[in-house]
Amino acid sequence: NAGVTQTPKFQVLKTGQSMTLQCAQDMNHNSMYWYRQDPGMGLRLIYYSASEGTTDKGEVPNGYNVSRLNKREFSLRLESAAPSQTSVYFCASSPIVGQSYGYTFGSGTRLTVV
Amino acid sequence: QKEVEQNSGPLSVPEGAIASLNCTYSDRGSQSFFWYRQYSGKSPELIMFIYSNGDKEDGRFTAQLNKASQYVSLLIRDSQPSDSATYLCAVEENAGGTSYGKLTFGQGTILTVHP
Repeated sequence: NAGVTQTPKFQVLKTGQSMTLQCAQDMNHNSMYWYRQDPGMGLRLIYYSASEGTTDKGEVPNGYNVSRLNKREFSLRLESAAPSQTSVYFCASSPIVGQSYGYTFGSGTRLTVV
Repeated sequence: QKEVEQNSGPLSVPEGAIASLNCTYSDRGSQSFFWYRQYSGKSPELIMFIYSNGDKEDGRFTAQLNKASQYVSLLIRDSQPSDSATYLCAVEENAGGTSYGKLTFGQGTILTVHP
């Protein structure tokens, strides 16, 4: 099915462990985004990639890194997980740079850091 | 920091009623506005977008935009129990005209439609 695929769907990490969240889209979209969603906080932008080969920080980038591997794939890495990074992570994509037609979201990754 | 505020809710309406969801935003240069629906445990789903002042209708949904008042709303007519969800307002950042599609989201309003 066309869309945005995120893996894994669930993950439990110990404090200090690292992991990479994977995201791939097959809609030929230029722009991709990583958000986290916490209760009462809404969705907050971590990093985005306006086009292949570019990445930039969003509102809450500390503790994260990203890689835009190619046009399809945009990964999010937690180098040393902390309990404050317990959240639901959503990857999203959008077709056009410079104007938003809204996002298509992946199904999310529920991450718990203990 | 650009802000998007939604009425806090939760909002409870009877089946068949009109549900009204409201949103205000701080970035006066924003041009694009979106409403997403999110069922519990699921990802957000785009249901409406609006770019121009006035009303935009799509089936039972009407989005209303007033840029002068920096206000956007969503009306759901003939509300159904299946409309029970969290509704997220999102505003495209202006960033001097090059936003790269970045959206700022409100915290969401929980809507419950009871039979």
